[in-house]
Amino acid sequence: NAGVMQNPRHLVRRRGQEARLRCSPMKGHSHVYWYRQLPEEGLKFMVYLQKENIIDESGMPKERFSAEFPKEGPSILRIQQVVRGDSAAYFCASSEGLAGFGDTQYFGPGTRLTVL
Amino acid sequence: DQQVKQNSPSLSVQEGRISILNCDYTNSMFDYFLWYKKYPAEGPTFLISISSIKDKNEDGRFTVFLNKSAKHLSLHIVPSQPGDSAVYFCAAKSNAGGTSYGKLTFGQGTILTVHP
Repeated sequence: NAGVMQNPRHLVRRRGQEARLRCSPMKGHSHVYWYRQLPEEGLKFMVYLQKENIIDESGMPKERFSAEFPKEGPSILRIQQVVRGDSAAYFCASSEGLAGFGDTQYFGPGTRLTVL
Repeated sequence: DQQVKQNSPSLSVQEGRISILNCDYTNSMFDYFLWYKKYPAEGPTFLISISSIKDKNEDGRFTVFLNKSAKHLSLHIVPSQPGDSAVYFCAAKSNAGGTSYGKLTFGQGTILTVHP
């Protein structure tokens, strides 16, 4: 049973370009989360999606960032007009969406974005 | 506003001894807590969790203790092994929205080094 898949693992962009990060959840998981880890910091929540719906985007910057989880295919985190401050590790997690306690999020290996 | 805090950036322990990692939280709405282990250039790996209706949960060498009145949790690893050397993150979530799934709030992490 494959875990959460993310690609690319490393992405280099120049300032002003667009970055697209992809995440395929674990089999059977319909809930996807994106987190960002800046150097020397913990993971910070960005957005939570279910198929075709954004449930919580309270951690997403208001401009340049967008996310989607279409009916078919992976979840995409898109960063337009990247700036040096976007350089970070971006992690995707997925969960089953269990009721009650016990809905555990499992993480992918991350995409390390470097903006030159 | 750091709602989950791991005040010890690092911890060094001898192989075979106990490792105790601590975590404090401020948001009284948090009711589900998780510990993740992270190696460099990899995603966080789920270790163990505890809900607010319990004060202890054990899984092999790992035990998590929750003190709700003090808003404090700890992870005990006994006996510690060199392979346990990694960054440990505690994370918390709230059931306030009526759902058990949703965003995790992470601490900054503690670097554990287990010496042979």
